[in-house]
Amino acid sequence: DQQVKQNSPSLSVQEGRISILNCDYTNSMFDYFLWYKKYPAEGPTFLISISSIKDKNEDGRFTVFLNKSAKHLSLHIVPSQPGDSAVYFCAAMGKGGGADGLTFGKGTHLIIQP
Amino acid sequence: NAGVTQTPKFQVLKTGQSMTLQCAQDMNHNSMYWYRQDPGMGLRLIYYSASEGTTDKGEVPNGYNVSRLNKREFSLRLESAAPSQTSVYFCASSVGRRTGELFFGEGSRLTVL
Repeated sequence: DQQVKQNSPSLSVQEGRISILNCDYTNSMFDYFLWYKKYPAEGPTFLISISSIKDKNEDGRFTVFLNKSAKHLSLHIVPSQPGDSAVYFCAAMGKGGGADGLTFGKGTHLIIQP
Repeated sequence: NAGVTQTPKFQVLKTGQSMTLQCAQDMNHNSMYWYRQDPGMGLRLIYYSASEGTTDKGEVPNGYNVSRLNKREFSLRLESAAPSQTSVYFCASSVGRRTGELFFGEGSRLTVL
């Protein structure tokens, strides 16, 4: 039973345009959400996070939006750059829990076309 | 800045052989984790150590053992490797258990024949 779902295995976007990566979750106990980015042959790196008390968090070109009622979050990358080509994992953890309770999605492979 | 270092990066084993994956972090983090990643799957937690001296099972612990040797080092042992353990293994660390911000190593690709 997948509690964190990334329904698009891959996404192709033109350089300079907006990339939107989506993530849905089913567990209403999740209250903290993160995005990780992974290049081939490297480990994932933390990108951005959002707490359930917020509906938006921005960091430079990266913005994460959280819609609690829909149990949906999205990562926006504007403008998209070639170096953004990577696999992006959505992750969630619950109230009172710890990183041992982090649940990861299967990832979305973002390809930025020149 | 080394961060999280894993060895070896690649290993091929025969069914039934044993091996240990080593992990060390130089960030003075309290918590350490071992994950596996399989094709088309997210990261799944094998074992974790919330702090030095403690270890606990994660989602997929069967067939593995761990040792938190000291604050820096956390090893993962396969006592009798099986083809189902063919995977990419990632070690990670965090300041503490309560943060979801993990720092990952580069991964160890293990093939069991």
